[in-house]
Amino acid sequence: GAGVSQSPRYKVAKRGQDVALRCDPISGHVSLFWYQQALGQGPEFLTYFQNEAQLDKSGLPSDRFFAERPEGSVSTLKIQRTQQEDSAVYLCASSFRGGMNTEAFFGQGTRLTVV
Amino acid sequence: EDQVTQSPEALRLQEGESSSLNCSYTVSGLRGLFWYRQDPGKGPEFLFTLYSAGEEKEKERLKATLTKKESFLHITAPKPEDSATYLCAVPGSNTGKLIFGQGTTLQVKP
Repeated sequence: GAGVSQSPRYKVAKRGQDVALRCDPISGHVSLFWYQQALGQGPEFLTYFQNEAQLDKSGLPSDRFFAERPEGSVSTLKIQRTQQEDSAVYLCASSFRGGMNTEAFFGQGTRLTVV
Repeated sequence: EDQVTQSPEALRLQEGESSSLNCSYTVSGLRGLFWYRQDPGKGPEFLFTLYSAGEEKEKERLKATLTKKESFLHITAPKPEDSATYLCAVPGSNTGKLIFGQGTTLQVKP
């Protein structure tokens, strides 16, 4: 595709519900990142994949958060038993090169609201 | 501790009024400084990468510069369409994962 695509754009979840957020990176991009962005703040790193390998998951806030990229392309961020503090915009980004300090291209994000 | 601080938090300019945004960082061994633009409801859009002190890059009305402790994003004769939040980010000292500042929200009035 022309850019990074995320779905859904908006998600409202009841507290305790599980959610799955999808990211389609730019075709051929090796690196894939997930970030969490609170209102009025910069993005905060969650996790990093190089192809199908999850090389860094140190930013995941709790064991309720899980990410996968099984075939080295599409990625899914799953949040179990959502809490109100999980409400944020979740951004996915991809990069042609490997490594975390590369220029990355972001999707439009998924705005998650937990009620 | 690795840190990125942007100032000011918000900036209002008249069309044509040039100004600068600041990004101060504290990391060991800088491995690049990234500038992004973010419009409301959208993801950040990559603008520049700077790697060494003294380096400058330009794109239309924007020019980014880098010193050993900070980066500036200079906006020359801005237009209303330059209104956005500008984010800077640096790789962390040990992990390399990008650390973003909180952003500067720029509003350019016609």
